[in-house]
Amino acid sequence: DAKTTQPTSMDCAEGRAANLPCNHSTISGNEYVYWYRQIHSQGPQYIIHGLKNNETNEMASLIITEDRKSSTLILPHATLRDTAVYYCIVRERGPGGSEKLVFGKGTKLTVNP
Amino acid sequence: DAGVIQSPRHEVTEMGQEVTLRCKPISGHDYLFWYRQTMMRGLELLIYFNNNVPIDDSGMPEDRFSAKMPNASFSTLKIQPSEPRDSAVYFCASSLRGGQYFGPGTRLTVT
Repeated sequence: DAKTTQPTSMDCAEGRAANLPCNHSTISGNEYVYWYRQIHSQGPQYIIHGLKNNETNEMASLIITEDRKSSTLILPHATLRDTAVYYCIVRERGPGGSEKLVFGKGTKLTVNP
Repeated sequence: DAGVIQSPRHEVTEMGQEVTLRCKPISGHDYLFWYRQTMMRGLELLIYFNNNVPIDDSGMPEDRFSAKMPNASFSTLKIQPSEPRDSAVYFCASSLRGGQYFGPGTRLTVT
C-alpha cells in the first residue's frame, strides 16, 4: 500500500478555507485517495474519496494533482466544529467498499475563532 | 437513518471476565468492520465481514477475541477472558460502496 505523509498539525481561522495537504508519491494506478476525520471522542467520519479527478461533496473538495503524487482536502468555510484529526488514506478499492483502511497519525486541524 | 449503533457505550469490567460488544450496521450495508483504538497503537482493523461472512480476521490480537455476525443487522465482538491491555475504544463500521461509516464506539476499561 502507498504510504502517505501529512503535516502533524495545522491551524485555520474560522470562516476561512482550510487546505490540508497529503503526499502519496508511491501511489499506484488502481489506488484511491480517501479522507476521514475524527472529532474528539467520536468515531471516524468518512469525508470524500477520489481516484484522479477532483471531487466535491457537501462536506469538502478533494484536489488530486495530475501525477497523483499528492492531494489537498479543502474545507471551504471552516467552522469550530471542523476541529479534528484528518486522515489521508490510500487504498485499493475492493468490491463494495471492502477497503482495509490503515489509519496513520493524520493532521490535527484546529479552527480558531 | 440512525447510523451505526453500538452498545454499550461504556463498559468497565474486571480482569478475567467475559465482555461482549454489540453492533447494528446501517441497513442495507453489506460490509461490517471492527476496529480498536488506543493511544499507543492508534486505530487498528481487527476483522471484517461481507454478507455476514468473516473475510479477514488477521487483525484479531489473539484467541481471546472472537467476532460473529449471525445476520445482516447484528454483530458481536467478544473478549474472553478480558485483560487490562484490552482497554481501548472499540469501533464498528459498515459500508456498501465507497466510504465506511463508523459508530460512536464502546469505551472498554478492564481493571
